[in-house]
Amino acid sequence: GAVVSQHPSRVICKSGTSVKIECRSLDFQATTMFWYRQFPKQSLMLMATSNEGSKATYEQGVEKDKFLINHASLTLSTLTVTSAHPEDSSFYICSARRTVEETQYFGPGTRLLVL
Amino acid sequence: GENVEQHPSTLSVQEGDSAVIKCTYSDSASNYFPWYKQELGKRPQLIIDIRSNVGEKKDQRIAVTLNKTAKHFSLHITETQPEDSAVYFCAASINSGYALNFGKGTSLLVTP
Repeated sequence: GAVVSQHPSRVICKSGTSVKIECRSLDFQATTMFWYRQFPKQSLMLMATSNEGSKATYEQGVEKDKFLINHASLTLSTLTVTSAHPEDSSFYICSARRTVEETQYFGPGTRLLVL
Repeated sequence: GENVEQHPSTLSVQEGDSAVIKCTYSDSASNYFPWYKQELGKRPQLIIDIRSNVGEKKDQRIAVTLNKTAKHFSLHITETQPEDSAVYFCAASINSGYALNFGKGTSLLVTP
C-alpha cells in the first residue's frame, strides 16, 4: 500500500519560534497533499490544500502567513508554523492523494506543543 | 461549503452486538463517503468507503449504506469486538481525490 511519512512525530518549542513539519509520500508521487489539524477529542479540520508547483489553497480562517506551505516536489510538502503560540499546540496530519486510484493516505501525524 | 453531521458522539455496546453510526451531509455534489477509524494518538485509517453510484457496500463485519436522496450514510459494524473500540469519523467529498470534510467523530466502546 501507499506510505506517507511525517517528520518530526513530536516537537516541543518555545513560544515565538518557528516549526517545520515535513510530509512525504514514500512510494508514490502526490500532486496534491492536504494539511489537517486536530485538537484533542475533536475532528480533523482541513487547513489547506497543497499542490505541487503552485501556491497552497487555505481554508477560511487559516492564516496563510502563519502557516506557510511549500510543495516543491511530487513527494514532499512542508508546513511551517511561524511564530508559534501555545494555542497552535495541536496534532497536525497530512494526507497525500495517490493519483492512480485517487485515494488519500494519511501520514502518522505530528504532535506540536508550544510552551 | 459541505457540512457533515455525525451521531452519536459516543456509543457503548457489548461485545457481539451491532453498532450503527449515522452521518448526514449538506452538499448534493458530494459523491465520495469514506469512514475512518482512529486510535488514540494515531493516524486515521480508512476502513470502508462508498461512492454515490452505489447504495451499499460490505466488507466482512463492516458495511456502509448511502441514501443520496436523503443525504445520509451510515456505518454498520456487526459482531463487535473490543478491538473495534476507537473513534470513528465519517467524511464527505466531491471526489476521493479532493479534501475531506469530516464529521465530529463517534467514540465507540465495546465492552467484553
